Amino acid sequence: DVKVTQSSRYLVKRTGEKVFLECVQDMDHENMFWYRQDPGLGLRLIYFSYDVKMKEKGDIPEGYSVSREKKERFSLILESASTNQTSMYLCASSLRQYSGGYTFGSGTRLTVV
Amino acid sequence: AQTVTQSQPEMSVQEAETVTLSCTYDTSENNYYLFWYKQPPSRQMILVIRQEAYKQQNATENRFSVNFQKAAKSFSLKISDSQLGDTAMYFCAFDTGNQFYFGTGTSLTVIP
Repeated sequence: DVKVTQSSRYLVKRTGEKVFLECVQDMDHENMFWYRQDPGLGLRLIYFSYDVKMKEKGDIPEGYSVSREKKERFSLILESASTNQTSMYLCASSLRQYSGGYTFGSGTRLTVV
Repeated sequence: AQTVTQSQPEMSVQEAETVTLSCTYDTSENNYYLFWYKQPPSRQMILVIRQEAYKQQNATENRFSVNFQKAAKSFSLKISDSQLGDTAMYFCAFDTGNQFYFGTGTSLTVIP
């Protein structure tokens, strides 16, 4: 089975801190995605990547950046954390040109205080 | 614009009964894929069922089945013989090949 691993289940950070959320997948998927999930808003796409060193903005990229130096790893970076970035963050991966759906990580609940 | 609408924020069902979760979507694409995902309290999003838009036959996975009406852009999920482990948030989604679009979710509670 494909596994998508997010390094932390819970994080508490202070306003202004630089925050790194890590995601690793083990099945050679080309596509990787970062979403944030908020009650009543569903999942909103922050950034995605279809290949190493490639990144594309999603619907809500402001305040975030990403890094994909290796195929299996996709990092989400909060340059200067703010309280409105308190949320659940979900990483997902998929094969290119295969609509079998995404495989998700178990999520990181980030609280910014 | 590509949108997914789940009009039922919360639902409940008695154990062993049947429940249907509704989903409508809007897209100008002709070829796409539709999905239902389940997110239990453990938070891991799990694929429940998948439907290819060009197939008329409704997908079925054990107790889970869909009613896909392409012309109406409707994609409802039916859960038969509901079990306590079905308690979760359910998300409807579709994939145009360029991007996934998710609904806002329906929280389903199975009552013993």
